[in-house]
Amino acid sequence: DTGVSQNPRHKITKRGQNVTFRCDPISEHNRLYWYRQTLGQGPEFLTYFQNEAQLEKSRLLSDRFSAERPKGSFSTLEIQRTEQGDSAMYLCASSPGETNNEQFFGPGTRLTVL
Amino acid sequence: AQSVAQPEDQVNVAEGNPLTVKCTYSVSGNPYLFWYVQYPNRGLQFLLKYITGDNLVKGSYGFEAEFNKSQTSFHLKKPSALVSDSALYFCAVRDEGDKIIFGKGTRLHILP
Repeated sequence: DTGVSQNPRHKITKRGQNVTFRCDPISEHNRLYWYRQTLGQGPEFLTYFQNEAQLEKSRLLSDRFSAERPKGSFSTLEIQRTEQGDSAMYLCASSPGETNNEQFFGPGTRLTVL
Repeated sequence: AQSVAQPEDQVNVAEGNPLTVKCTYSVSGNPYLFWYVQYPNRGLQFLLKYITGDNLVKGSYGFEAEFNKSQTSFHLKKPSALVSDSALYFCAVRDEGDKIIFGKGTRLHILP
């Protein structure tokens, strides 16, 4: 399967713990995006990368959130000191990088904070 | 800021009947519009996009969408619904930096 992959698919953690998610984009896709989706809502943009450069961060992304794409391939999203409000589906997407290309989404990581 | 609105939380259609899922948009400049579908336990799948050109855009699985500039709408359509079309559908618009702004979604139920 050459699509976008995300790991883990599910994560249950206790409030206050740190969690890290991984996204592997489609090979040679320059752009990588992170979104968050809560129940009954559409995905909301968090941040995106052009190769290894993080170009934009949403105001939704508090200081407890950090994302990296160190070699311009896979990306990690870390949430420190998790809160119950962080419970959501975290989606990763990639695109070839030309403007107006569609984004290809991974299956998501469902985070539950107890 | 760019935005889209999906006025219906849920749409019910009998199998074999035509379906329409509504979307209106608000943009500054030229709109770049998308439709995505989300099946249970699966990621979002791209259906179609409007960038420029013909107002009727054809996409995957027999879906099409009609761009209407005067009504600022981009409704998703299919001539004959299948039970397997039952899913959550999202209208979306490109924002600055190529990120996508999604609507709240419309749940489509196709009744056998």
